[in-house]
Amino acid sequence: QVTLRESGPALVKPTQTLTLTCTFSGFSLSTSGMCVSWIRQPPGKALEWLALIDWDDDKYYSTSLKTRLTISKDTSKNQVVLTMTNMDPVDTATYYCARILGPNPGTRAFDIWGQGTMVTVSS
Amino acid sequence: SYELTQPLSVSVALGQTARITCGGNNIGSKNVHWYQQKPGQAPVLVIYRDSNRPSGIPERFSGSNSGNTATLTISRAQAGDEADYYCQVWDSSTYVFGTGTKVTVL
Repeated sequence: QVTLRESGPALVKPTQTLTLTCTFSGFSLSTSGMCVSWIRQPPGKALEWLALIDWDDDKYYSTSLKTRLTISKDTSKNQVVLTMTNMDPVDTATYYCARILGPNPGTRAFDIWGQGTMVTVSS
Repeated sequence: SYELTQPLSVSVALGQTARITCGGNNIGSKNVHWYQQKPGQAPVLVIYRDSNRPSGIPERFSGSNSGNTATLTISRAQAGDEADYYCQVWDSSTYVFGTGTKVTVL
């Protein structure tokens, strides 16, 4: 059974750096075609894709947020970490990690999602 | 950047058919995936690569994609289908989600 679980602070202050961890089970990120991605959703708003890391350690980032994001993986711990710098109240959202698999980025879908973690940015 | 446009809301009578559109420039040349999100829950994949259903998704859910519009069709709509629905594609090395559609079953 594939599961993913997000963890991190529920509250961060403006200008701080957010660090989120996705801990997963049921698959290995060293397997060809496996990827893990981060997606967020502000309250009452649409989903927004943030970043992806694949089995080969290739990384992809949202064009609008790439200067603030870093994604990394620890295959031995089955974890993927996302850091976002210079947090602002507009970054208040539920942050999801999701598995995405397949050799071709254009055909991949997010097939399994974590339950999400709510992050509030406020002083 | 690539944009995906969905209607804000769609209403459907119980047992009837709902069609949710996802508009994008030449979207027919891309693989489109659809997600269902119920209040307070994480999204669930309901259609992948235009028209394929993951295991466990009812046959009532189907998809098509051509030209500048992809469509998710829910046949014989049930009360449990009330949710937000999002389309998604890959473009220019990024993943893009649609604006989302709220489906109400009357």
